[in-house]
Amino acid sequence: GDSVTQMEGPVTLSEEAFLTINCTYTATGYPSLFWYVQYPGEGLQLLLKATKADDKGSNKGFEATYRKETTSFHLEKGSVQVSDSAVYFCALDDYKLSFGAGTTVTVRA
Amino acid sequence: DSGVTQTPKHLITATGQRVTLRCSPRSGDLSVYWYQQSLDQGLQFLIQYYNGEERAKGNILERFSAQQFPDLHSELNLSSLELGDSALYFCASSVGAGDLTDTQYFGPGTRLTVL
Repeated sequence: GDSVTQMEGPVTLSEEAFLTINCTYTATGYPSLFWYVQYPGEGLQLLLKATKADDKGSNKGFEATYRKETTSFHLEKGSVQVSDSAVYFCALDDYKLSFGAGTTVTVRA
Repeated sequence: DSGVTQTPKHLITATGQRVTLRCSPRSGDLSVYWYQQSLDQGLQFLIQYYNGEERAKGNILERFSAQQFPDLHSELNLSSLELGDSALYFCASSVGAGDLTDTQYFGPGTRLTVL
């Protein structure tokens, strides 16, 4: 079945550091890909999405490119802030959302 | 704020009991989805309703059931509760039936604790 594998955390960074969270997927079709973020004590928020190969999703300084050849959708941000501390979930939608295990990111001042 | 509301925010109950979680989708959204988030299982899709009809089923136990009402709000019923049912239950909604361009927006969740 469809599945998502994302890098295990936790990830701890200093402010202004570069963040990458790796995400790879397995799917039989051509899914849409998403990154959701969960801030402490809150629900999931859509961060960005891409619906087809080579699409780049971006929001709040975060970017991810849908790479069909490597079945990947890695999340990147060039300069993180303390407010980016959260759990990040990679997900694919092939008529049903499947989530990765989540990566906890902590940014220190 | 996603526009999806869930009540209650917290629920504490005992094993063997039954509870009902409620979800109101964003205005204009016809689909409602239910998810369970637990430490050992992660985030798992339970069930989807579209315009009052069951659309897709995931890893939902037989002790659990859901429905979507004519006003499009949804309820998730959990019965014969066990300690392992303690989790965060999320509702999400989307405009369409869940095709590949449909985006789901999540509510804040209901934290269920079974003692």
